[in-house]
Amino acid sequence: EPEVTQTPSHQVTQMGQEVILRCVPISNHLYFYWYRQILGQKVEFLVSFYNNEISEKSEIFDDQFSVERPDGSNFTLKIRSTKLEDSAMYFCASSEGGRATETQYFGPGTRLLVL
Amino acid sequence: LAKTTQPISMDSYEGQEVNITCSHNNIATNDYITWYQQFPSQGPRFIIQGYKTKVTNEVASLFIPADRKSSTLSLPRVSLSDTAVYYCLVQPHGSSNTGKLIFGQGTTLQVKP
Repeated sequence: EPEVTQTPSHQVTQMGQEVILRCVPISNHLYFYWYRQILGQKVEFLVSFYNNEISEKSEIFDDQFSVERPDGSNFTLKIRSTKLEDSAMYFCASSEGGRATETQYFGPGTRLLVL
Repeated sequence: LAKTTQPISMDSYEGQEVNITCSHNNIATNDYITWYQQFPSQGPRFIIQGYKTKVTNEVASLFIPADRKSSTLSLPRVSLSDTAVYYCLVQPHGSSNTGKLIFGQGTTLQVKP
């Protein structure tokens, strides 16, 4: 069964540093998402991406965040200047269609720790 | 988006049937009900989706009464590996809606031996 993969699985960084989280969505999927989950809290939507453009972003997704699909397979989330409160699990997801009722397939996540 | 309410936690024993009910009193006509499962330190995983009556797949059943103001996820004969958080989502189905999923706190199911 096709899977969404994410690298790295863990990332430790110093406050103020830039991090790039990488995802490889399922190959025939056209819609891509990032979510985050702070320890002990609920999964929160960050951004959706389609046709090389952001479709929707949440209030969390401020100017420190950016997404990119640099080639035909990777989908990245960049945090320019990390803050302590960015420490969380970051999940990438993909789906064939763009409706909320489409099944989204989530990756295993990247655990980001900002010191 | 319709607000959902589900129990924070539930306990069960191996081999039992588990029913998790979700309330969504202000569900709209074009809303679908979807359940996701999340194991510790993993991403959520789609379980089942329905609009009305009953839906069954190899993992679970979803019961939706006629008024659609609630839904019940049924897990037959749970095992220890079913210990997870279960999320009930109510999402609109329409071409103008984005794929944004809104997760609540979910129900933490603990299956005991």
